[in-house]
Amino acid sequence: GAVVSQHPSWVICKSGTSVKIECRSLDFQATTMFWYRQFPKQSLMLMATSNEGSKATYEQGVEKDKFLINHASLTLSTLTVTSAHPEDSSFYICSGQPGGGITEAFFGQGTRLTVV
Amino acid sequence: QKEVEQNSGPLSVPEGAIASLNCTYSDRGSQSFFWYRQYSGKSPELIMSIYSNGDKEDGRFTAQLNKASQYVSLLIRDSQPSDSATYLCAVKEAGSYQLTFGKGTKLSVIP
Repeated sequence: GAVVSQHPSWVICKSGTSVKIECRSLDFQATTMFWYRQFPKQSLMLMATSNEGSKATYEQGVEKDKFLINHASLTLSTLTVTSAHPEDSSFYICSGQPGGGITEAFFGQGTRLTVV
Repeated sequence: QKEVEQNSGPLSVPEGAIASLNCTYSDRGSQSFFWYRQYSGKSPELIMSIYSNGDKEDGRFTAQLNKASQYVSLLIRDSQPSDSATYLCAVKEAGSYQLTFGKGTKLSVIP
């Protein structure tokens, strides 16, 4: 399958600071990538759809000014959690799809964010 | 509102048995169906994809799809303790990149 690399795998930050998470497609170009958040014992919740060269599409209830998404190239999307608070502590996961007839989505390793 | 329903479990099966995981979906426009395995603290890993009615087998895994009943299942034969994980059902409608996930079924394989 296709490879999606996410970095960092875990991060601890102080309340009020910002954290950037990177998501790279290593062996395919991704015009669209997705960002999910997963709280303990819950399923993946789609936060936003990241589109290369244009603005991200956010799901209802997700603050676009708090969760900044940049998809400046076909292989890199970033999620920046601004002014992080303890309630933002979660597991953040990105995914990408190679396209070209491949419909499966492949996930990055995930980033465990802890805000203290 | 598109919904994907799964029994949250936990589903416990003895080692060597067949584990049966079920999923129903609400959107009749769904065209692609996926099963992901997620170990605790890890991201989902694709196990199977299925697109047409019937069965699809890959090693110990068999996915079954019935679009008329809006039902998709995953069978795991000869279950191993390493199969213990949460299994997520995901569906996608035609022409869309977006996946809709169920809440997952936690499977425990008892040695």
